[in-house]
Amino acid sequence: ETGVTQTPRHLVMGMTNKKSLKCEQHLGHNAMYWYKQSAKKPLELMFVYNFKEQTENNSVPSRFSPECPNSSHLFLHLHTLQPEDSALYLCASSPGTGNYGYTFGSGTRLTVV
Amino acid sequence: DQQVKQNSPSLSVQEGRISILNCDYTNSMFDYFLWYKKYPAEGPTFLISISSIKDKNEDGRFTVFLNKSAKHLSLHIVPSQPGDSAVYFCAATREGGATNKLIFGTGTLLAVQP
Repeated sequence: ETGVTQTPRHLVMGMTNKKSLKCEQHLGHNAMYWYKQSAKKPLELMFVYNFKEQTENNSVPSRFSPECPNSSHLFLHLHTLQPEDSALYLCASSPGTGNYGYTFGSGTRLTVV
Repeated sequence: DQQVKQNSPSLSVQEGRISILNCDYTNSMFDYFLWYKKYPAEGPTFLISISSIKDKNEDGRFTVFLNKSAKHLSLHIVPSQPGDSAVYFCAATREGGATNKLIFGTGTLLAVQP
């Protein structure tokens, strides 16, 4: 248990489906992040939230829609995805200010068929 | 434009020997660097970090070296153990702003042979 919990662990969805990824942390952190990990690519930052407010959208297509109802929960809503969106989606949290490492969840392995 | 580069996708080392993983960065504004370790089917876990005011940080078997003039850092693992076999990610960030945005490299797969 890392302190950051992601559900589901695996997800297979069709291109016309709508699904959501969930992330939860009970570390008292103020910042939460979504990263995408594709094969042979760096971990790509998608979104940053600080105190529930989105502070960064790294040019992510609108078919990915984040939601942060409070500092402990982060969602990634998915709709009309493409097969190239298949990847490992990682959630992370950090205290927020200052130079701290992230605590990552185990990720959701997404396959778009 | 990849700001953090790990040019070796994989490394194989004998148990008990030294593992050296390398990382280069291009953004001179980065002032804090981290190494993460990732096992299959798990998220990355924090391993060790270094601030730009230092050139070395040691934690048990793990030592990170920073060469600011060369924009290069390396992770040394001595002695290497089979349980160290994992993907190692280098990450960098710069102080300032409300959140510390980590920029990651592509990772190096370390295999420690018994």
